Amino acid sequence: IAGITQAPTSQILAAGRRMTLRCTQDMRHNAMYWYRQDLGLGLRLIHYSNTAGTTGKGEVPDGYSVSRANTDDFPLTLASAVPSQTSVYFCASSAGTDTQYFGPGTRLTVL
Amino acid sequence: AQSVSQHNHHVILSEAASLELGCNYSYGGTVNLFWYVQYPGQHLQLLLKYFSGDPLVKGIKGFEAEFIKSKFSFNLRKPSVQWSDTAEYFCAVNAGGAGSYQLTFGKGTKLSVIP
Repeated sequence: IAGITQAPTSQILAAGRRMTLRCTQDMRHNAMYWYRQDLGLGLRLIHYSNTAGTTGKGEVPDGYSVSRANTDDFPLTLASAVPSQTSVYFCASSAGTDTQYFGPGTRLTVL
Repeated sequence: AQSVSQHNHHVILSEAASLELGCNYSYGGTVNLFWYVQYPGQHLQLLLKYFSGDPLVKGIKGFEAEFIKSKFSFNLRKPSVQWSDTAEYFCAVNAGGAGSYQLTFGKGTKLSVIP
């Protein structure tokens, strides 16, 4: 059982480019989340999905979009990357309000 | 909006010292509380959680936390730390009610244990 996988592991991206971070879970959890982690700021929620077909905005959604076409996948898209989106991105999933399980993260650098 | 405060940004301890990391939240209703740990270069892992019942909860690796409702606190403790406990620790709260699964995280406390 892999849990949560994320791809790519790391990426360097030119400003203005479009980028999709992939996240897949094999635990059949209904809820999935995207966070960004920045030094001194902890984890901040970007978008979430309580169930397949629905999504919601978190604390810092601007510049990001998500989709949840099925239970397992929850991709995060940066339509036009900017340097302030340089961060480590973590995907997570949970069965309702129970423990959130985190993926290994994607380190993104926007130049 | 709810918020979570972790009092210490960076704690440095010698091995065998006792640890207490503070966490306070700003929500008056029913809450679910979590402590996560992030070892260097790794993703977050659950240390322990509190949903209801005994306010003193025990987690992995000898950690425990006490929920004090009157103080809106959920402090993390360990009687004797080891070098391998060097990590960043995050307190998190779910307080959204039915159908709201999101967590609000504190900014984290970095723990450095000196051998």
